[in-house]
Amino acid sequence: GESVGLHLPTLSVQEGDNSIINCAYSNSASDYFIWYKQESGKGPQFIIDIRSNMDKRQGQRVTVLLNKTVKHLSLQIAATQPGDSAVYFCAEIGSGNTGKLIFGQGTTLQVKP
Amino acid sequence: EPEVTQTPSHQVTQMGQEVILRCVPISNHLYFYWYRQILGQKVEFLVSFYNNEISEKSEIFDDQFSVERPDGSNFTLKIRSTKLEDSAMYFCASKTVSDTQYFGPGTRLTVL
Repeated sequence: GESVGLHLPTLSVQEGDNSIINCAYSNSASDYFIWYKQESGKGPQFIIDIRSNMDKRQGQRVTVLLNKTVKHLSLQIAATQPGDSAVYFCAEIGSGNTGKLIFGQGTTLQVKP
Repeated sequence: EPEVTQTPSHQVTQMGQEVILRCVPISNHLYFYWYRQILGQKVEFLVSFYNNEISEKSEIFDDQFSVERPDGSNFTLKIRSTKLEDSAMYFCASKTVSDTQYFGPGTRLTVL
């Protein structure tokens, strides 16, 4: 079946450090991945996405890396700030053409001042 | 910036009662979704809706669930007879033909 997982439930970093959040997926046919940020009491907020024909994509302070060989996805946040504290989910487009998302378990990022 | 809105933010109901959760997707979006998130767990797909019909539903979306787009702006999720295990956050999402889905703030459903 389809599944997306994250390696660590919690990541604690010092403010100003870089953060790396990891995700493993099982479906080698997956061709689109998204990272969402969820703050307490709010809905998932789109951060960045990547298609399987790319290895890397950069946004503002964020970079997503895709390693299709080992089916691994990572989100790198540069110069982590207290406002980055949230739960981060990776998600993939499920099979079929409906666009449904399959989410991983989530990693809680805690930023220490 | 346009956003998905949901009402109410919190709904408390008795087991066996019907609830309707409401969503207003982003106005030019064509694809609509409901997801749920049980406390502390991952977000789970419930149903997708396109062209005024369900395009896919998960195993969770049984006969107690229904969706409707009664007019040009609202998208609703109805649970006919709520169970304790229906307690969760329910998120509505919408998108255009691109893959990026935008989520609403969610409705917290508490079934007593």
